[in-house]
Amino acid sequence: QVQLQESGPGLVKPSQTLSLTCTVSGGSFNSDAYYWSWIRQHPGKGLEWIGSIYYTESAYYNPSLKNRLTLSVDASKNQFSLKLSSVTAADTAVYYCARRSYSDYSFDFWGQGTLVTVSS
Amino acid sequence: QSALTQPASVSGSPGQSITISCIGTSSDVGSYSLVSWYQQHPGEAPKLMIYEASTRPSGISNRFSGSKSGNTASLTISGLQAEDEADYYCCSYTSSSTSIFGGGTKLTVL
Repeated sequence: QVQLQESGPGLVKPSQTLSLTCTVSGGSFNSDAYYWSWIRQHPGKGLEWIGSIYYTESAYYNPSLKNRLTLSVDASKNQFSLKLSSVTAADTAVYYCARRSYSDYSFDFWGQGTLVTVSS
Repeated sequence: QSALTQPASVSGSPGQSITISCIGTSSDVGSYSLVSWYQQHPGEAPKLMIYEASTRPSGISNRFSGSKSGNTASLTISGLQAEDEADYYCCSYTSSSTSIFGGGTKLTVL
């Protein structure tokens, strides 16, 4: 069974860079059948796709975040990461990592989510 | 990209059926059957319920079904149960190779 676990600071100051890592266990990380993805949920709001990255490091970003966003992969550690720069209070959200199918684009496995608060 | 359009809330009594709509455009729902549906209970991560518009993953009750016509996808839950009370989100692949979610629908079981 695939498991994903987010890790990173729960509090980030405005204008700084938010950095999160997702560790994948249970196999499939280097498979060509999946994209590794980030999704966030503002408090009390809906889901927002942030971006997805392939094990080859080919990545797709939400156009609204593209200028501030970098996704990366460390296959040796079965990890992928998110860096979001110049954060504001509007970036306060629960951040989820998830596995996305290459063929049908569904998100079939999710991490438990981690709350990141942007505040001074 | 604008979120797919879902009703903010729907409700039904135990045993009844409800349908949640998800309206997109010709750049997403209308052009691909790559629509998925997620159930989210409070404080939990979303759970995949339907993919490819109408396919249930293993372990998902056959009370959940999906369909798509034109720019609109739909999720139907039959034989409503108290445990179905949750938020539901649709998601579609887009022509820009991105994913886009709906705004979410709160299902209340009366």
